[in-house]
Amino acid sequence: NAGVTQTPKFQVLKTGQSMTLQCAQDMNHNSMYWYRQDPGMGLRLIYYSASEGTTDKGEVPNGYNVSRLNKREFSLRLESAAPSQTSVYFCASSLRGGLHGYTFGSGTRLTVV
Amino acid sequence: DQQVKQNSPSLSVQEGRISILNCDYTNSMFDYFLWYKKYPAEGPTFLISISSIKDKNEDGRFTVFLNKSAKHLSLHIVPSQPGDSAVYFCAANSGYALNFGKGTSLLVTP
Repeated sequence: NAGVTQTPKFQVLKTGQSMTLQCAQDMNHNSMYWYRQDPGMGLRLIYYSASEGTTDKGEVPNGYNVSRLNKREFSLRLESAAPSQTSVYFCASSLRGGLHGYTFGSGTRLTVV
Repeated sequence: DQQVKQNSPSLSVQEGRISILNCDYTNSMFDYFLWYKKYPAEGPTFLISISSIKDKNEDGRFTVFLNKSAKHLSLHIVPSQPGDSAVYFCAANSGYALNFGKGTSLLVTP
C-alpha cells in the first residue's frame, strides 16, 4: 500500500542547476498535482494534471515544467534552479477530487544555494 | 490573493478540552471543504470534509461546521489528545484543485 511515492526526499542544488522531482501513485487515480509549501504560505498549487495526457498551470507555475508520463507518474522539472525555489514539494493524487480529497506523498525538501 | 484564510497561526489547548480551528473563505463558488492534518516531515493527510449543501459533518472526535452566509467553517476536536498536535490546513475545492489556507499549528498539552 505505497500510495503516493516521491523521490528524492532531500536535494541540494546550486543556482542554475536542473533537476526532476519524481512522483508515482498506485491507486489508479486520474488526477495528480504538485504543490509547494513555504513557511507562512501554506500549500500553493504549481501544476496539475486532471487526467492522463493533460497538464495545466496552477497558482505558481513560473520556473517549472511538468510531464504526465502515464496514469501513474507525474514529474516536476526545474530547468534552472533559483534560491526562491527552495521549498518542500508535495505531490498528490485524487480519483476525481471529491469529498475524500487528495492523497499526498511525504514530500521532497529542496534547497537551492 | 488568498481565497482560504486561517487567521490563527497557532493554538494551544489542554488535553481533554475542545479544540476549535477556524477558516474563512472568499469564493462563494467553492462546493466542498476539507481539513487536512500534517505532522512534521510527512505529507498532509485527509481528516474530514463537508459539502457546501450541508452545515455539519461529524466523524468520531472531529466535527466540521459550515456557515455559508458568513463564509466560515470550523473544525472541532473533542476531546483533544496530545496526538492531535499537528498543523491543520483548511482547503476548498475550486473546480480543478484544492485551495489551501496557511495552516494552524495545534498544540495539545497534557
